Amino acid sequence: GQQLNQSPQSMFIQEGEDVSMNCTSSSIFNTWLWYKQDPGEGPVLLIALYKAGELTSNGRLTAQFGITRKDSFLNISASIPSDVGIYFCAGQPYNNNDMRFGAGTRLTVKP
Amino acid sequence: DAMVIQNPRYQVTQFGKPVTLSCSQTLNHNVMYWYQQKSSQAPKLLFHYYDKDFNNEADTPDNFQSRRPNTSFCFLDIRSPGLGDAAMYLCATSKGRGGRYNEQFFGPGTRLTVL
Repeated sequence: GQQLNQSPQSMFIQEGEDVSMNCTSSSIFNTWLWYKQDPGEGPVLLIALYKAGELTSNGRLTAQFGITRKDSFLNISASIPSDVGIYFCAGQPYNNNDMRFGAGTRLTVKP
Repeated sequence: DAMVIQNPRYQVTQFGKPVTLSCSQTLNHNVMYWYQQKSSQAPKLLFHYYDKDFNNEADTPDNFQSRRPNTSFCFLDIRSPGLGDAAMYLCATSKGRGGRYNEQFFGPGTRLTVL
């Protein structure tokens, strides 16, 4: 019920293309976070969302908190080679303070 | 810069030989977490401390222990590492639990190899 389904599992795109990935759950979440993890490093927080419908940008990244509170998406516009990495969504269920993590989306950008 | 620091970045131990991983933070956050991350998987929460209050996840093996002697430091002790414990271990901190206080900031991780 409180598991996060993150898709796609991996993406191979050309530099300059836009990217979209999402996380869904069958339960309601109060918070959605998006992280990026480079190889051999810890996850870095990109965007945090706290209200249903909230749309937040961080440079070329845009994320939205779904209106049903059961999903979130992350868009990356005009991808560049340094966007390569694994993107994780994380969410806090409405009835629990623990964060749940999605399985990650591995992004490869071809120059 | 305020940050989460993990030492060492790489640790090699032998099967069954106890090992301790270290985490420190300059964020003055109340909560410190330890996660285990295996290749290409999501981080898996082992336990967390809210101040001095220890909270163990139900499925964390007894082989894993933790200590938090003060606000800044937290240690992960693996009493008898097995081959299956080889992984990246991530430390994270947050101001509190719930809402905006639950934003977690991660250290760079310690990659543990078990021979």
